[in-house]
Amino acid sequence: DAGITQSPRHKVTETGTPVTLRCHQTENHRYMYWYRQDPGHGLRLIHYSYGVKDTDKGEVSDGYSVSRSKTEDFLLTLESATSSQTSVYFCAISKKVYSGNTIYFGEGSWLTVV
Amino acid sequence: GENVEQHPSTLSVQEGDSAVIKCTYSDSASNYFPWYKQELGKRPQLIIDIRSNVGEKKDQRIAVTLNKTAKHFSLHITETQPEDSAVYFCAASKGNDMRFGAGTRLTVKP
Repeated sequence: DAGITQSPRHKVTETGTPVTLRCHQTENHRYMYWYRQDPGHGLRLIHYSYGVKDTDKGEVSDGYSVSRSKTEDFLLTLESATSSQTSVYFCAISKKVYSGNTIYFGEGSWLTVV
Repeated sequence: GENVEQHPSTLSVQEGDSAVIKCTYSDSASNYFPWYKQELGKRPQLIIDIRSNVGEKKDQRIAVTLNKTAKHFSLHITETQPEDSAVYFCAASKGNDMRFGAGTRLTVKP
């Protein structure tokens, strides 16, 4: 499972409230990612990090911010949650394998914004 | 950026038949093509992958083929079993930038 832990695993929150999802890894991987998964859209990249304090936007970054103050932790924050952000959020790391740099996912965080 | 299209979105087969899922990509610099299987309520998990310098790779009942010229790649599952029922995602990447297809829901009917 590449040593990835996400918290919380399930959360229901109200529109307009801030939400932070945490991703913790134990294998010292440099690259970490946040994806969201929605029916019909597959897995879309929100933000990624290539080192401590080094982050960049993905294809659906509006309304999200991230921080990485330690190698092992990558936080995703919804500053003011909206119903369109109801989704399953997967944290991931990149790990070099024989064929290439492969993505390994955490178990997911189910977020419902009501 | 890279755009990955995946077809079909749903696929239903009889147990024992073969299933084929196809993907196309847009960025000719992509050089690594993994496939993921996601069971209901679980995380996507890598099942097979292929590099751009390889045309075909096989692992027991699953195989992947790649046509770099046409920029498409396919997943083939033979002798399907009910436990193959899941959502399958293709992906294309260069370096640490990986983009996914929208997924194919495969149902294997006993």
